[in-house]
Amino acid sequence: DGGITQSPKYLFRKEGQNVTLSCEQNLNHDAMYWYRQDPGQGLRLIYYSQIVNDFQKGDIAEGYSVSREKKESFPLTVTSAQKNPTAFYLCASSARTGTGTPNEQFFGPGTRLTVL
Amino acid sequence: GDSVTQMEGPVTLSEEAFLTINCTYTATGYPSLFWYVQYPGEGLQLLLKATKADDKGSNKGFEATYRKETTSFHLEKGSVQVSDSAVYFCALRSGGSNTGKLIFGQGTTLQVKP
Repeated sequence: DGGITQSPKYLFRKEGQNVTLSCEQNLNHDAMYWYRQDPGQGLRLIYYSQIVNDFQKGDIAEGYSVSREKKESFPLTVTSAQKNPTAFYLCASSARTGTGTPNEQFFGPGTRLTVL
Repeated sequence: GDSVTQMEGPVTLSEEAFLTINCTYTATGYPSLFWYVQYPGEGLQLLLKATKADDKGSNKGFEATYRKETTSFHLEKGSVQVSDSAVYFCALRSGGSNTGKLIFGQGTTLQVKP
């Protein structure tokens, strides 16, 4: 079955540690996205990538880093510079239509990160 | 900048009641509009979408009409079920955007009681 997988489902981190969240898709989508979700708030865009080896900052990129070395993978690193990293992190991907317009986004199941 | 505003929740309904969740937006040009649903502990699933004015998106008994004159995309369902209990997000993608970036509302929690 095609889809997006995120791992782990739950992640605990001590203050001052970097941690990497995995996102893999087998939908052959060009574009991938990382969002952060906090209680009572909508999703906020951290980083996005439209093609392999290229990515752009979203609205809240400070304290995060990404890489896009393969089409199917878009890992997110939460660094110690992120002041309030406890949140639910969602990865998404989308294809493009024949005219290049991005299509709707498909989401993974999410990773809940807790900083101890 | 572009933004989305949803009605505050939680919304609590009895089974078979009529549902409306309001969504209004601010955007330049002609955005595409979406409703996503999130069940507890899960990611988001696309519920329906509309890409131009007067389009009606529909899925699983839910409907929403893209109203440019009122900049709205309200979600409706004629008869809700307990299984519809979830968080609903309205979102827009800016018209002409080639990045696919979505702007989300804050989400509205729906609780349906038997």
